[in-house]
Amino acid sequence: SQQGEEDPQALSIQEGENATMNCSYKTSINNLQWYRQNSGRGLVHLILIRSNEREKHSGRLRVTLDTSKKSSSLLITASRAADTASYFCATDAGTSGSRLTFGEGTQLTVNP
Amino acid sequence: DTAVSQTPKYLVTQMGNDKSIKCEQNLGHDTMYWYKQDSKKFLKIMFSYNNKELIINETVPNRFSPKSPDKAHLNLHINSLELGDSAVYFCASSQGLTYQPQHFGDGTRLSIL
Repeated sequence: SQQGEEDPQALSIQEGENATMNCSYKTSINNLQWYRQNSGRGLVHLILIRSNEREKHSGRLRVTLDTSKKSSSLLITASRAADTASYFCATDAGTSGSRLTFGEGTQLTVNP
Repeated sequence: DTAVSQTPKYLVTQMGNDKSIKCEQNLGHDTMYWYKQDSKKFLKIMFSYNNKELIINETVPNRFSPKSPDKAHLNLHINSLELGDSAVYFCASSQGLTYQPQHFGDGTRLSIL
């Protein structure tokens, strides 16, 4: 069954605003990763956060992880039109192989 | 230089045919994957190879057979294609098995007529 659920399914904002996407999962994890997918392209890795970490930053991206609530959030600050894409969370339970289980994704549209 | 490349990018074929998708990575990674993304963008792991050994084999029909001739290549052969096989197939690679980001190709869009 699907591990991650993302909320919202779609988000439309204006350039310069912040965008927050949430991800919930069901089982214990080793780490959680966020990916971006532009239309017609493959997924691009954004951030990996380990289960013993609570927050991580990369440029305009901020990821939080709450293992007690089994949830994570991705914040994109000062959004740009180029940030328009689908964003996926993926959990790694640390079992056989690097088995990533992806959420349903959030479609982010940033209007110029 | 493309890190993970898949060919072909588009594949349109008739039901019942056999087809192959090729994947190559030039990142020096030791682990490669095949994913299937359906029309709702749901992405699911199909297979994973580490150093040419199959380590993940999800519940996929036997008509799907991966083959890894070396660490840099992972191909996917599909026999007797069915309408439900229509999807985008992504190849990915990583260095190691845990705590590793995966690098994806741009996908092969398979359409069954």
